Amino acid sequence: DAGITQSPRHKVTETGTPVTLRCHQTENHRYMYWYRQDPGHGLRLIHYSYGVKDTDKGEVSDGYSVSRSKTEDFLLTLESATSSQTSVYFCAISPTDRGTIYFGEGSWLTVV
Amino acid sequence: KQEVTQIPAALSVPEGENLVLNCSFTDSAIYNLQWFRQDPGKGLTSLLLIQSSQREQTSGRLNASLDKSSGRSTLYIAASQPGDSATYLCAVGGQGDSSYKLIFGSGTRLLVRP
Repeated sequence: DAGITQSPRHKVTETGTPVTLRCHQTENHRYMYWYRQDPGHGLRLIHYSYGVKDTDKGEVSDGYSVSRSKTEDFLLTLESATSSQTSVYFCAISPTDRGTIYFGEGSWLTVV
Repeated sequence: KQEVTQIPAALSVPEGENLVLNCSFTDSAIYNLQWFRQDPGKGLTSLLLIQSSQREQTSGRLNASLDKSSGRSTLYIAASQPGDSATYLCAVGGQGDSSYKLIFGSGTRLLVRP
């Protein structure tokens, strides 16, 4: 299994509060991604990173920000959580932009 | 805009049966296609990666084919086992600056009955 650790794995938070999800990898892969998975929508890309301090938006980036200050860590922040952001969040990594992609175990976030 | 469709959404088969899962995509300008497996409450596990220049890839009892011109891929599972029960997703990678923005299908939920 690829060395990907997501934290926290489960979180319940209140509407309007900021939330940060962390993805930590031990593979030294250049590319890192945050996806969310929702019934009826499948997996959708939120943000991705192609290097330290190099990030870009995905398909559903509104309300989310990311940071990558080290190769191994990619943080996803919900600036002011809303109920529509209740979802399962997956971090993924890949050594190249066109190769096999490896997923973490997911972070279950509930916004009440 | 690329759209990826997987039909059927769910499939139930008896153990030992050979089966085919389907994936279709609307834009043939893809760089690669990947098949994943997802167990309940877990992340995705990559099964097979097919580059656009390839026609098929094999791993054990799994064989994935790709027909870019028709916008289709199939995942063939031979001699299915109860342990194959999971959701199978396909994802396409675009070309150029969208190559790392995988577009996923909604998956086929497979149940292999003992």
